[in-house]
Amino acid sequence: QVQLVQSGPEVKKPGSSVKVSCKASGGTFGSSAIIWVRQAPGQGLERMGDIIPIFGTTNYALKFQVRVTITADESTSTAYMELRSLTSEDTAFYYCARGRSIAAAADAFDIWGQGTLVTVSS
Amino acid sequence: EIVLTQSPGTLSLSPGQRAILSCRASQSLTSNYLAWYQQKPAQPPRLLFYAASNRATGIPDRFSASGSRTDFTLTISRLEPEDFAVYYCQQYVTSPTFGGGTKVEIK
Repeated sequence: QVQLVQSGPEVKKPGSSVKVSCKASGGTFGSSAIIWVRQAPGQGLERMGDIIPIFGTTNYALKFQVRVTITADESTSTAYMELRSLTSEDTAFYYCARGRSIAAAADAFDIWGQGTLVTVSS
Repeated sequence: EIVLTQSPGTLSLSPGQRAILSCRASQSLTSNYLAWYQQKPAQPPRLLFYAASNRATGIPDRFSASGSRTDFTLTISRLEPEDFAVYYCQQYVTSPTFGGGTKVEIK
C-alpha cells in the first residue's frame, strides 16, 4: 500500500522560501496526479496546484501562481512544493495527495501525506 | 472557478442521531465529479466518496452520499463517536476546489 511521507516541520523568516517534499513509500506515484493543498490554522482546505509526474505537467491556482513551483522526481517518487516570498499568512499545514485516476489533474484524492507545518515568523 | 457552498457550518448532534450535510455547486458538475472527505484534528483529510456516491475503500456503510448537478448530500445514518469531525466536499470537473466544510460536533 502506497503511503505519502512528507518532510518535517519548518520555521521560516518572512521573505524567505520553503521547499516541502512528498515521497511515495511502498510504491510509486504511478500515473496519478499529485496535488498540494494547504490549511491555515482553524481554516479550510485550499488547493495550491498539482503535477502529473509522468508528464511533468503542472497547473497552479491563480492565487499562488507567481510564488509556487511544484516539481517531481520520478526516479525517487518524490514531489516537491516550493513557496517563495513567505509572509505570516503562509503559516499553515501543507499536504500532498495522490489522485485516484490515471493522468487526471482534476481528480478525487485517496492517499494523503501526513502534512507539514510551515511557520513563518520573524 | 466552481464555488462549493456547504451547509450548515456546524451540526450539533448526539451519538446515534442522523447527520445530513449539504454541498451546493455554483454550476452543474458534469459526471457528478464530487468527492467527500472527513478530517479529524491533526490528521489529513480522508476520502469518503468520489463521483458523488461511490464509497471509498474501508468506509463504513452508515455513510452514504447522493446528489447530482448542483446539489449533493452526505448522510451519516447513526453517528458513532469517531464520526465527529469536519467534512469537506470537493469538485473535480475543473481544477479542484473545496467547500468551506461542515463541522459535526457532539451536542
